[in-house]
Amino acid sequence: DSGVTQTPKHLITATGQRVTLRCSPRSGDLSVYWYQQSLDQGLQFLIQYYNGEERAKGNILERFSAQQFPDLHSELNLSSLELGDSALYFCASSGPRDRAYEQYFGPGTRLTVT
Amino acid sequence: TQLLEQSPQFLSIQEGENLTVYCNSSSVFSSLQWYRQEPGEGPVLLVTVVTGGEVKKLKRLTFQFGDARKDSSLHITAAQPGDTGLYLCAGAPIQGAQKLVFGQGTRLTINP
Repeated sequence: DSGVTQTPKHLITATGQRVTLRCSPRSGDLSVYWYQQSLDQGLQFLIQYYNGEERAKGNILERFSAQQFPDLHSELNLSSLELGDSALYFCASSGPRDRAYEQYFGPGTRLTVT
Repeated sequence: TQLLEQSPQFLSIQEGENLTVYCNSSSVFSSLQWYRQEPGEGPVLLVTVVTGGEVKKLKRLTFQFGDARKDSSLHITAAQPGDTGLYLCAGAPIQGAQKLVFGQGTRLTINP
């Protein structure tokens, strides 16, 4: 158990819909990262938040957005969903800023868009 | 775009054999991480290597970071069925170390 929690575990929705994925980091971690894992693309970095502020962006679509709240939990919002958005979405957290590369992953949310 | 290539992509061997998984890039990384992922679960951090030439051991697993910090290897001695899983290497870029770049993974199966 990494200490990172994610809900829900599974999500099935239709094209065009909007969903929200939730993540709570390890106790004491200020950074939260979101990743997408698909069969053809592997694990791809989407976005990072540090103590409530966006810190880094990866290949995140404009239809996707995220935020980190004062209690440090984070939400990833996916809108206008397409079939190709079906994937595993992972949240990770890290501790000290000088060790931001040591990221601890949650169990993931499996999103299926039908 | 920085890329990490892992080889082999698939490996199936018998219990007790040794194996090596490679992670290569043309880019320099500030550090390199190895993760193991089970089906339906998140990647679990196994080790971080930071210094060129660094070697770390975790029981029967030996991790090495290349001298030029462009490549890494994972060697497993006397593999056991419990070692079965997806092994991922992840590099931290020099600029933006938090934006980990992942290899495609090596799916390892150890047969009893």
